[in-house]
Amino acid sequence: KQEVTQIPAALSVPEGENLVLNCSFTDSAIYNLQWFRQDPGKGLTSLLLIQSSQREQTSGRLNASLDKSSGRSTLYIAASQPGDSATYLCAVKPTSGTYKYIFGTGTRLKVLA
Amino acid sequence: EAQVTQNPRYLITVTGKKLTVTCSQNMNHEYMSWYRQDPGLGLRQIYYSMNVEVTDKGDVPEGYKVSRKEKRNFPLILESPSPNQTSLYFCASSPQTGEGYKFASEQFFGPGTRLTVL
Repeated sequence: KQEVTQIPAALSVPEGENLVLNCSFTDSAIYNLQWFRQDPGKGLTSLLLIQSSQREQTSGRLNASLDKSSGRSTLYIAASQPGDSATYLCAVKPTSGTYKYIFGTGTRLKVLA
Repeated sequence: EAQVTQNPRYLITVTGKKLTVTCSQNMNHEYMSWYRQDPGLGLRQIYYSMNVEVTDKGDVPEGYKVSRKEKRNFPLILESPSPNQTSLYFCASSPQTGEGYKFASEQFFGPGTRLTVL
């Protein structure tokens, strides 16, 4: 059964720091991995989608990488800002014949001014 | 504007009183899904639909029903709500899910519905 883990559960960093968020999954048979941002009490905003054939995707200060063989993805945030404070979630889409998406429990990021 | 809408956004109800949370998308997506989000448990999939009249259970379907009579709408029905269904609910849609394709598209989420069952 596919499991998705995000460690740490919470992270505080000073403004301007470059940081890495981690996402691990137990089964490498996936179609894609998607990173989301969620502000408190709000919906999910898609940040980056990496297809299984891709190694990384970039959008502005964000860069997401995917290593299927090791079951890992990282979200790199450059020059962090207080506005980046939010919970970051990753989700995988297994190829196992199920139509389900599996989410991690998220990393709550706080960027201190 | 391309979007997924949910109504109501907030709902307080009592145990046993049937309710429906509506979900609509204007992107002509085939795939739609409902999730609930609870502290410490993350997002868990309740039901999903591959297309009109095609629905299936996710990981936590007990106590919920869905229907997909039109492509754009995917309502979530709680026939007899109980306090353990108090949660934040999200609807999502996607152009397709990967099966039969070489890749799967990203999911687009609605703003969420915060449900409290007393």
